Order: sequence, then C-alpha cells, then structure tokens
Amino acid sequence: GENVEQHPSTLSVQEGDSAVIKCTYSDSASNYFPWYKQELGKGPQLIIDIRSNVGEKKDQRIAVTLNKTAKHFSLHITETQPEDSAVYFCAASVGDMRFGAGTRLTVKP
Amino acid sequence: DTGVSQDPRHKITKRGQNVTFRCDPISEHNRLYWYRQTLGQGPEFLTYFQNEAQLEKSRLLSDRFSAERPKGSFSTLEIQRTEQGDSAMYLCASSLSTGGRHNSPLHFGNGTRLTVT
Repeated sequence: GENVEQHPSTLSVQEGDSAVIKCTYSDSASNYFPWYKQELGKGPQLIIDIRSNVGEKKDQRIAVTLNKTAKHFSLHITETQPEDSAVYFCAASVGDMRFGAGTRLTVKP
Repeated sequence: DTGVSQDPRHKITKRGQNVTFRCDPISEHNRLYWYRQTLGQGPEFLTYFQNEAQLEKSRLLSDRFSAERPKGSFSTLEIQRTEQGDSAMYLCASSLSTGGRHNSPLHFGNGTRLTVT
C-alpha cells in the first residue's frame, strides 16, 4: 500500500516569512495529492490539491509542487500570518488515501 | 452552515460499553467516509460508502466496529465492547465522486472524540 512521509514534524517561522512542508510517497501510481489544515478541535480542511498531470498549482499565498519522478510534493506558504498556525497534513491517493503524520506550523507575530 | 456535522462532539465511556456516533454529510455528496485519528497522527481510513452501499472496510475495522448508511443519507458508526485502544478522534468526511475510490476532495466534520476509561 501507499506510504506517505511528511517533514518536518514541527516548523516555526516569523510572520511574513515563507514556510515549506515536504512529503514523499511510495506508490508511483498515486494520482491525487491534497493538503489539509487542521486547527485545534476541528476536522481537517482542504486547502489545496494537485493531480498527477500537473506539476504546480497556486492559490494566493499557497502553492503546491509535484515531482512525480522523485515521488515527492511540497506545500509552500508565502507571507505567513499568525492565523496560518495549525497542523498541516499531506495525503496521496491511489485507491486508498494515506495521510502523512502532520506538520505543526507556528507563525510568530 | 451546510458542512459535515457529527454528533456527539465528545463521548466518555467505560471499557466494555457500546457507543454509537452519527454523521450527517453534505446533502448532495454521494460518498461518506469514516476515519480515525490518534494524537500526533494523520487520519487513518476505516470505511466508506457510496450512497447506501458500504464498498470498502479497512483491516483496522475490527469485528467490534460496524457502520451503516441507511437510505444513503446519514451514517452511524457503532463500536461494541469498547477498549481503551479505541480512544481516538473519529472523523467523518463526504465527497462528490464518480471516479476512483479516494481521489476527490474530502470535506471533514469536526469529529467525535472518544475516551474509553
């Protein structure tokens, strides 16, 4: 089955800086890669996703890049704000959707 | 708000008791998923329904767990003879999907946190 590894497990940045979270996956047939943000006491919320036929996708301050050859994908958040502080999960799907273990992002004002 | 709703938000039970959780998906969504999340981990897939049919169950879903989705609307997840290891957040998600099993955006509820004492 698919195995997704995510790093770093914790990330602390100053407000206004960029944050990058990286994930690797094991199954080359994976074709859908969503990213979720989870705030305390809430369920994960989809923030951006990318499919295997696309190399990069951007939505305002958030972008995701996919390298199919290397089997890794990354989340980039620019101009971070305190409200970006949360746990972020990557996932990869081919049949089953497998989630990474999460990255706790703290944005210091 | 027409998002996914779950009830109850919290449940404390004693080992050996049965518990039941409810999930109301987004009304136009045809798929409903149950996930389990433990502290410091990502969600783990348990089972999913397409309309009223339960199409897949994870090996994580022991015989003590049963899920239903009568009439393809709300769903219930029952855990019989609860064990301390069942303590976790149980998340429900729904999606509108026509293709592969898990390749559409999932809309999660805020979960039911189960504590087994």
